[in-house]
Amino acid sequence: AQRVTQPEKLLSVFKGAPVELKCNYSYSGSPELFWYVQYSRQRLQLLLRHISRESIKGFTADLNKGETSFHLKKPFAQEEDSAMYYCALGGGAQKLVFGQGTRLTINP
Amino acid sequence: EAGVVQSPRYKIIEKKQPVAFWCNPISGHNTLYWYLQNLGQGPELLIRYENEEAVDDSQLPKDRFSAERLKGVDSTLKIQPAELGDSAVYLCPQQKGFSYNEQFFGPGTRLTVL
Repeated sequence: AQRVTQPEKLLSVFKGAPVELKCNYSYSGSPELFWYVQYSRQRLQLLLRHISRESIKGFTADLNKGETSFHLKKPFAQEEDSAMYYCALGGGAQKLVFGQGTRLTINP
Repeated sequence: EAGVVQSPRYKIIEKKQPVAFWCNPISGHNTLYWYLQNLGQGPELLIRYENEEAVDDSQLPKDRFSAERLKGVDSTLKIQPAELGDSAVYLCPQQKGFSYNEQFFGPGTRLTVL
């Protein structure tokens, strides 16, 4: 079975501080991991996909198969980063399983 | 953005009433999904279609929810009767990008049951 755990429901940091949103997954096959972001009153948007190894809006995430983790990081938080962040796992069943989300608040 | 069209955008009904949502996906995409997103939570898959066939409906509450995808294109999701706990956003994303697992979400249909 596919499972995603985001242990922090709420995360608050000051502007300019580093941010790390944790994501752990459970899946016996070869996983595809994604981070989605949802700003207030907006649709769910794809932020990162692990296969691209990209940096979007200063965010990066590395898939660690040994620790079954895909933590999202940003070295210097900005106020506009305040949003809900969802980690999602895709597997062979061609569906996405989402974590419960982490609400990130950046304080000025 | 061009892509999946869902309607209505908003729906408010009283409990025990029926309600239906409609999804018109991108032409040529064989796979169609319905997800439910409760407030402050991640989306959860309700049903996945491959063409006309529902290949994964294990999380669809079949006592009150039903879905169909005639001709393998448009799809409707119905709730009868609706309950207070059905208030949520119903999403019909499209596959996009590098893999089947990457999905593009529109605003969906926001249902409020009073």
